[in-house]
Amino acid sequence: GAVVSQHPSWVICKSGTSVKIECRSLDFQATTMFWYRQFPKQSLMLMATSNEGSKATYEQGVEKDKFLINHASLTLSTLTVTSAHPEDSSFYICSAQRERYNEQFFGPGTRLTVL
Amino acid sequence: GQNIDQPTEMTATEGAIVQINCTYQTSGFNGLFWYQQHAGEAPTFLSYNVLDGLEEKGRFSSFLSRSKGYSYLLLKELQMKDSASYLCAGLDSNYQLIWGAGTKLIIKP
Repeated sequence: GAVVSQHPSWVICKSGTSVKIECRSLDFQATTMFWYRQFPKQSLMLMATSNEGSKATYEQGVEKDKFLINHASLTLSTLTVTSAHPEDSSFYICSAQRERYNEQFFGPGTRLTVL
Repeated sequence: GQNIDQPTEMTATEGAIVQINCTYQTSGFNGLFWYQQHAGEAPTFLSYNVLDGLEEKGRFSSFLSRSKGYSYLLLKELQMKDSASYLCAGLDSNYQLIWGAGTKLIIKP
C-alpha cells in the first residue's frame, strides 16, 4: 500500500512553454502533498505544501506565479511550471502524507529538461 | 535555525557494517526519518524513530537519542545494491520535514 505515482516521468520542452506534472496517491487519501525539487548531487528542496481544497503554502524564494500548484482532490495534486526556462531544469518529486501519519510517500519523480 | 548534519560521503566494503550519523536541530521534534535514494530516483522510506533507542529492521537499524539530537543508521552485511545516498530528515513541530544533504555511501567489493 501507500503508492504514489507521478506523470510524466520525464519531459523535454522548449523555453517559454508550460509543463504540468501530476502526482497521484493510488491507494490512499492524501490530506497533504509536498512538491520538492532536487538539483544534481544536492538534497531535496521543499518547494510547497498543499492541502486538499486550499491554497498551497510556498517556501521562501519559490515563485508562486511560476510554479502553480493545484490540489483538487485527496488523491491528485498538480504542479505547473509556467514559462519554463533552462534554469528550471531539475528533478521534481512529489510526496503524499496520509492523515495522522508522519511518513511521506514519494512519487518516482519527474525529470524536466528545458531547452 | 533548523539544521540537519550528516557526512557527505562514506566508503565501506561489501559484507561489512557501516554507521551513518546524523545530528539535528529542529523547532520542536516529531520524529526522525531515514530515506534511501539511488541516483536518479526518488527517496524510499527506511525508518522512523520518535522514541529513544534502537529500531531494527532486517539488515538496517536506526537509533535515536533525543537528548543529544542524534541519530544513526546502521547497515549490516553490506551489499553492492546498498550503494546510494542516505537522507536523514527531522520532523519539526509543524510536521514539516527538515532534510539533510544526504550521505553518499560507496560500497567496494
